[in-house]
Amino acid sequence: EAQVTQNPRYLITVTGKKLTVTCSQNMNHEYMSWYRQDPGLGLRQIYYSMNVEVTDKGDVPEGYKVSRKEKRNFPLILESPSPNQTSLYFCASSLAPGRGPRGEQFFGPGTRLTVL
Amino acid sequence: AQSVAQPEDQVNVAEGNPLTVKCTYSVSGNPYLFWYVQYPNRGLQFLLKYITGDNLVKGSYGFEAEFNKSQTSFHLKKPSALVSDSALYFCAFSSSGDKLTFGTGTRLAVRP
Repeated sequence: EAQVTQNPRYLITVTGKKLTVTCSQNMNHEYMSWYRQDPGLGLRQIYYSMNVEVTDKGDVPEGYKVSRKEKRNFPLILESPSPNQTSLYFCASSLAPGRGPRGEQFFGPGTRLTVL
Repeated sequence: AQSVAQPEDQVNVAEGNPLTVKCTYSVSGNPYLFWYVQYPNRGLQFLLKYITGDNLVKGSYGFEAEFNKSQTSFHLKKPSALVSDSALYFCAFSSSGDKLTFGTGTRLAVRP
């Protein structure tokens, strides 16, 4: 089954304790992206990757890191989480622009993060 | 700045009645517009998109959307609402074909 998986689905942590949220897709997609969803703000892009070893900042990158060493994986790293990073996080993937339907991104189920 | 706006936080409709979820855009050039739906405890799912061509776009689950250039709108519609349509709906646009910029979302509640 074609899917995007995220782990963990739920995480409660404390300020300053490094954490990683994993994202994996099995559709051989070049493009992957991380979003955070906050009430009243919709989804905002954190980072995205056009392909292996190619990453770039989205609209709200502060406090986050990403890496893309393999095509299927795109982990999100919070090196020193703070309470304002409490949010619902989504990973998404799609074919590269020009290679597939424009804008049709496939989303993971979400990771609900609470930073105390 | 380019954006999409969803003026209603919530839309309430009775089952069997037509529904409309509104979206207006402020995007230069030819916008690529989308609707996504989020069911409880699930990720977003693609519903439909407008790239070029017919102003009426048909999508999944019986939904359709009308692109109106003069009113800069892209409202989502369905002729007959189902209770199972209750969800959070997001309008989005893409300028470059990769990044999606989302509206703030509209919660649709369909009562039996």
